[in-house]
Amino acid sequence: SQQGEEDPQALSIQEGENATMNCSYKTSINNLQWYRQNSGRGLVHLILIRSNEREKHSGRLRVTLDTSKKSSSLLITASRAADTASYFCASSTGGFKTIFGAGTRLFVKA
Amino acid sequence: DTEVTQTPKHLVMGMTNKKSLKCEQHMGHRAMYWYKQKAKKPPELMFVYSYEKLSINESVPSRFSPECPNSSLLNLHLHALQPEDSALYLCASSTPRLAGVDTDTQYFGPGTRLTVL
Repeated sequence: SQQGEEDPQALSIQEGENATMNCSYKTSINNLQWYRQNSGRGLVHLILIRSNEREKHSGRLRVTLDTSKKSSSLLITASRAADTASYFCASSTGGFKTIFGAGTRLFVKA
Repeated sequence: DTEVTQTPKHLVMGMTNKKSLKCEQHMGHRAMYWYKQKAKKPPELMFVYSYEKLSINESVPSRFSPECPNSSLLNLHLHALQPEDSALYLCASSTPRLAGVDTDTQYFGPGTRLTVL
């Protein structure tokens, strides 16, 4: 079973707009990661935020983590058509087990 | 080399066939993973190998048999599969746990699209 829930399930925006995706998880974590998956392909790691961090940036990506609410958000600024993909959060509790959220399908219209 | 390769890209097999999926990485990672992903669903963990030893088996049916012949290779042997086993099978690798290193980042291959008839 997957412990992560994501919302929205699908998001459609215009190029240049910002996209925000949210993720919730159920148990204490060591870190939380975000991955992107283009249709029918492998996942690409985007960013990892540790449990003792609250915010992290990487290029046009901004991730926040609120361990008290067991939630995280991914913000993509100035979106591009190439950002069209599915985005998954993935929580790690230690060991090798990573549990993926249900995912948000993002569609960026040119 | 930061690539995980998987072969074949596509596989169609009957329920009585025996086939194998192959995964390879040359990043020196000592943890390797198999995931199963159905359409519009997240990846589900099947197996994890750490230092060529099976570390996690997520109660996967015995018709799926993993093998890790060496630190760079991971196989998934398939036998007597069911149509509901049709899915995208993803391989991933990561570094072993070390203090101060982000070891949970996984590097994924492109997947094998499996269809069971």
